[in-house]
Amino acid sequence: DTGVSQDPRHKITKRGQNVTFRCDPISEHNRLYWYRQTLGQGPEFLTYFQNEAQLEKSRLLSDRFSAERPKGSFSTLEIQRTEQGDSAMYLCASSLWRRDSGNTIYFGEGSWLTVV
Amino acid sequence: SQQGEEDPQALSIQEGENATMNCSYKTSINNLQWYRQNSGRGLVHLILIRSNEREKHSGRLRVTLDTSKKSSSLLITASRAADTASYFCATDASSAGTASKLTFGTGTRLQVTL
Repeated sequence: DTGVSQDPRHKITKRGQNVTFRCDPISEHNRLYWYRQTLGQGPEFLTYFQNEAQLEKSRLLSDRFSAERPKGSFSTLEIQRTEQGDSAMYLCASSLWRRDSGNTIYFGEGSWLTVV
Repeated sequence: SQQGEEDPQALSIQEGENATMNCSYKTSINNLQWYRQNSGRGLVHLILIRSNEREKHSGRLRVTLDTSKKSSSLLITASRAADTASYFCATDASSAGTASKLTFGTGTRLQVTL
């Protein structure tokens, strides 16, 4: 399977604990994105990387959230001191961006987080 | 914030009928993409239409874009039970050439019954 891969698919954690999600993008894709989706809503942008550089962060990404893409390949999204409001599906996506061409973004299956 | 709004919010049709979903957005865009999401799963990319295109086809899918009205429509012809899913439009409104992110609508839930 050469799609976007996310791990774990499901995570249940107690309030106050830290959690980390991993994303492996499609090979050779230079851009990687994180989105968050709650029930009944569309995904909301959190942050994106071009290669290893984090180029944009949403104001949804509080200081408890940190994302990295250390070698420009896989990425991690860490949530510290989780709160019940963090319960959502965290979606990773990737794309091969070239100037002057459409930027088709491919999503993974998502990581469900439940904070109890 | 959600830029796009899909209409209707929910649609129920019988297998073999056509399904039309509409999307309206607020700002100028570089392109618009449609995605499908089965319950509890990730998003599957369906089609991308650029701001200088008016219509695009892919199999049973037909997408139109009217930038003057800031709206798009997705037509699924000869629907099948397997088309049951939520459908989202997503706009790329980033500065020209950056294509940094997509802004999604709230989706249309399509139910196709036998």
